[in-house]
Amino acid sequence: KNQVEQSPQSLIILEGKNCTLQCNYTVSPFSNLRWYKQDTGRGPVSLTIMTFSENTKSNGRYTATLDADTKQSSLHITASQLSDSASYICVVSDRGSTLGRLYFGRGTQLTVWP
Amino acid sequence: EADIYQTPRYLVIGTGKKITLECSQTMGHDKMYWYQQDPGMELHLIHYSYGVNSTEKGDLSSESTVSRIRTEHFPLTLESARPSHTSQYLCASSPDIVNVLGASTDTQYFGPGTRLTVL
Repeated sequence: KNQVEQSPQSLIILEGKNCTLQCNYTVSPFSNLRWYKQDTGRGPVSLTIMTFSENTKSNGRYTATLDADTKQSSLHITASQLSDSASYICVVSDRGSTLGRLYFGRGTQLTVWP
Repeated sequence: EADIYQTPRYLVIGTGKKITLECSQTMGHDKMYWYQQDPGMELHLIHYSYGVNSTEKGDLSSESTVSRIRTEHFPLTLESARPSHTSQYLCASSPDIVNVLGASTDTQYFGPGTRLTVL
């Protein structure tokens, strides 16, 4: 069964600290993996997208890694800010069709305290 | 900031009422989607469209219906709302980009969502 599991479910850190969010998936065949940020009451916004051949991709203070062999990804946030408080969703796409069937994780709820 | 809009943002309505959730995008995207999301849960695809006059049901069974008469608009309708329909509804769109393997690599752009409460 194609699944996307994220951990931890929730995380609280102090402003300025770093953190790493995890995503494990069983989706096969694999096309790409995206990390989205979803602020409370808003729609998700794409942070990064990685294909099979990419191991790491950065977007400002966000760095995503992908290990396609172990089917794991991580999102590392550096020097956290209050505005980083949000849900971070891992989304994996298969390559079974042109629709690119998406499998969503439940997200990690990150709270940054001052 | 994505140019995709949803109205209303919040809706509280009684059981049995007919409602339409609006979604519009100005990016000229062919593909549009409706997702349902409950608190702390993953997004579930309920409808999608490849283009005008094309609509398909998603993975999660839904009593709602959609239409795609114009590229920009993808409204979702509930003929008779029930408390079980209480949820957050997210609309998204994406350009039609595929890689050499024929798989979609496009990013979906999401609207702000409609929080629906049926009493």
